[in-house]
Amino acid sequence: DTEVTQTPKHLVMGMTNKKSLKCEQHMGHRAMYWYKQKAKKPPELMFVYSYEKLSINESVPSRFSPECPNSSLLNLHLHALQPEDSALYLCASSHPGGIAEETQYFGPGTRLLVL
Amino acid sequence: QKEVEQDPGPLSVPEGAIVSLNCTYSNSAFQYFMWYRQYSRKGPELLMYTYSSGNKEDGRFTAQVDKSSKYISLFIRDSQPSDSATYLCAMSAGNAGNMLTFGGGTRLMVKP
Repeated sequence: DTEVTQTPKHLVMGMTNKKSLKCEQHMGHRAMYWYKQKAKKPPELMFVYSYEKLSINESVPSRFSPECPNSSLLNLHLHALQPEDSALYLCASSHPGGIAEETQYFGPGTRLLVL
Repeated sequence: QKEVEQDPGPLSVPEGAIVSLNCTYSNSAFQYFMWYRQYSRKGPELLMYTYSSGNKEDGRFTAQVDKSSKYISLFIRDSQPSDSATYLCAMSAGNAGNMLTFGGGTRLMVKP
């Protein structure tokens, strides 16, 4: 089973709201990722968790706050977002070790609209 | 110059045609090469991955990597309307962090 699930599928929020995106995988992957994707653009890496520890933060504004409660779950907490943050937010995961380490599996994404 | 270049298309072909999608790259450290298919408003789906140079075949899909030319290709045989999507190449040097570098994506349209 190569499935990464994400909830919610769609989210509309105001600039003063606080919301969270959730990602889950049960493939035994120990690396998990958050990406942001704008229309007609490739995914842009935001954060990488390796063995539940934040290993990469691609200079993402502090209004985005990631959390990895355990090896299967990844959250992205959102607060005081701007309209330009509207995008498809993608979660991905990958195995540790060997060629499989480079094979990232993506979830379906959460389409976020900030009003 | 971008690290990974990919023609954005759109590429329009008739059903049954052989499709060739390509990416060029500049970083000789890239060792892992992937192709993702992304339907509109969905997440990318992994189609193929290869390590180093050579060919890999899976059903109607063939991935080729030519590291000497820094050029990778995805061939789709007997293309179907359901193949209409954006195809993203991605690659990695295999270093810590498993970071992928994506091409910009090619939009493919297969017409019945």
